[in-house]
Amino acid sequence: DGGITQSPKYLFRKEGQNVTLSCEQNLNHDAMYWYRQDPGQGLRLIYYSQIVNDFQKGDIAEGYSVSREKKESFPLTVTSAQKNPTAFYLCASSTSGTGGPGYTFGSGTRLTVV
Amino acid sequence: GESVGLHLPTLSVQEGDNSIINCAYSNSASDYFIWYKQESGKGPQFIIDIRSNMDKRQGQRVTVLLNKTVKHLSLQIAATQPGDSAVYFCAERATDSSYKLIFGSGTRLLVRP
Repeated sequence: DGGITQSPKYLFRKEGQNVTLSCEQNLNHDAMYWYRQDPGQGLRLIYYSQIVNDFQKGDIAEGYSVSREKKESFPLTVTSAQKNPTAFYLCASSTSGTGGPGYTFGSGTRLTVV
Repeated sequence: GESVGLHLPTLSVQEGDNSIINCAYSNSASDYFIWYKQESGKGPQFIIDIRSNMDKRQGQRVTVLLNKTVKHLSLQIAATQPGDSAVYFCAERATDSSYKLIFGSGTRLLVRP
């Protein structure tokens, strides 16, 4: 079945550590996105990529980094510079451009600072 | 812009009744509007979308209405079921080359048995 897979489901980070969240899709989608969701709030865009080897900052990129070396993969690194990283992280993919606008979302990674 | 507050607005309905969830959007130039459903601890699921040149679109048990004059979007769910309990988000698609989605802050739907 085609889909988008995020791992791990739960992640714990110590103060000062970098952690990397995985996102893989087999939908042959060009575009991939990372969103952050805080309790009781909507989704805020961290980074997005419309093509391999290219990505752009979203609204809250500070303290995060990404790479897009393969079409299928868009990992997100939460660096020690992110002062409040505890949140639910969602990865999504879509056909970019003139196709329908719907994203396919992964099931999320819940990151907690301990 | 960013959503504010820690508490989502909540709509409580009786099982079997119709539900109407509302959303105000900001960019009159957006070309697509989408509704997502998110259950606790899961990623959002696509429900229905509507192009900006339409006023109404129907799916299975759901209808989306778009009022561009007042920049308002609504989702109607017919014969609401317990499985409809979730948080519902509206989203608008950016009109620049990014095609990124901008999400609203969400509404929690609670279905009483």
